[in-house]
Amino acid sequence: KQEVTQIPAALSVPEGENLVLNCSFTDSAIYNLQWFRQDPGKGLTSLLLIQSSQREQTSGRLNASLDKSSGRSTLYIAASQPGDSATYLCAVGGDTGGFKTIFGAGTRLFVKA
Amino acid sequence: EAGVAQSPRYKIIEKRQSVAFWCNPISGHATLYWYQQILGQGPKLLIQFQNNGVVDDSQLPKDRFSAERLKGVDSTLKIQPAKLEDSAVYLCASSVGHSGFVEPQHFGDGTRLSIL
Repeated sequence: KQEVTQIPAALSVPEGENLVLNCSFTDSAIYNLQWFRQDPGKGLTSLLLIQSSQREQTSGRLNASLDKSSGRSTLYIAASQPGDSATYLCAVGGDTGGFKTIFGAGTRLFVKA
Repeated sequence: EAGVAQSPRYKIIEKRQSVAFWCNPISGHATLYWYQQILGQGPKLLIQFQNNGVVDDSQLPKDRFSAERLKGVDSTLKIQPAKLEDSAVYLCASSVGHSGFVEPQHFGDGTRLSIL
């Protein structure tokens, strides 16, 4: 059974700091991995999607890496800003028919001005 | 491009009552998902549709939950009868879903359900 764990559960950093959020999964037979952002009372916004054949994806100040064999992904946020404060979730897509998506519980990030 | 629309935004009912949620995905998106997000947890997939067919409903409590997507566009999720543990945010998402690859999912703002 696939399980997705995110560490840390919460993180508070000063503005301008570079930071790394971690995601691990127990079954390496994934189809893809997505990172999402969720603001309070809102739905999820897709940030980056990495297919299983890819190693990383970049968008602006965000960089996500994927190591399938070790069951790990990291989301790197450069030069953090107060507007980055949100909950960040990773989700893996299963490598079987149906592409079931399984989420981690998220990392709650607070960037202090 | 209009996003995923969900209604209502909030719903309060008593246990054993029934409730229905509505979702209108992004135009042209073939794949539609319903998730349940309990406070402090990540979303849990309840059901996934490809057009009007069910791809995965393995985590849907079928004794009380039902969902349909009759014309391959809008979808409704129903709970009957509701239990206290059903208190959660119900999120709808959609993706293009034509190529066989899993594209980014686009989420609505959800319906927050409280059971008294």
